[in-house]
Amino acid sequence: DVKVTQSSRYLVKRTGEKVFLECVQDMDHENMFWYRQDPGLGLRLIYFSYDVKMKEKGDIPEGYSVSREKKERFSLILESASTNQTSMYLCASTWEGARNTIYFGEGSWLTVV
Amino acid sequence: KNQVEQSPQSLIILEGKNCTLQCNYTVSPFSNLRWYKQDTGRGPVSLTIMTFSENTKSNGRYTATLDADTKQSSLHITASQLSDSASYICVVSAIKAAGNKLTFGGGTRVLVKP
Repeated sequence: DVKVTQSSRYLVKRTGEKVFLECVQDMDHENMFWYRQDPGLGLRLIYFSYDVKMKEKGDIPEGYSVSREKKERFSLILESASTNQTSMYLCASTWEGARNTIYFGEGSWLTVV
Repeated sequence: KNQVEQSPQSLIILEGKNCTLQCNYTVSPFSNLRWYKQDTGRGPVSLTIMTFSENTKSNGRYTATLDADTKQSSLHITASQLSDSASYICVVSAIKAAGNKLTFGGGTRVLVKP
């Protein structure tokens, strides 16, 4: 079974702290994604990566950065967390190709106080 | 702007009954449409994927339809069970140079009552 693992399920951080959210997939997927999910807004794409060291901005990249040094790992970084970044963060991955299933992690609930 | 609209926002049904969820989209150029089920506090799980040429796709008690001309899709749940209580998300993919660009609907929250 494909597995997308997010390192932290629940985090509480203070305003201004640097936050790392890690995501690992075990199926050699080329594409990896970071989304945030907020009530009434659905999933919004923050960044995605289609290869090692490659990244593209999504719809809401401000305040975030990403790192993909290895194919299986895609990290989301909040350089200086703010309260409006309190959200559920979802990592996803898939093989290249239109019909391939996108697999999601279980989500990381981040609260910034 | 690419958009995906889902209706209703939420609905309550009795166990054993059927229901239909709607998804309208304006995504172009269209690549495929997916339905996901998301249990509370969990990540979304894929139910179906349909491309332009597919009108209907089933996964157990879930049946999705696609009308690419009117840009509408529906997800029909037959003989609902308590475990069907979840959010159902419609996701439309547009063809893009580097991977497919996904547009997510806001989801429909379904509550199945005994």
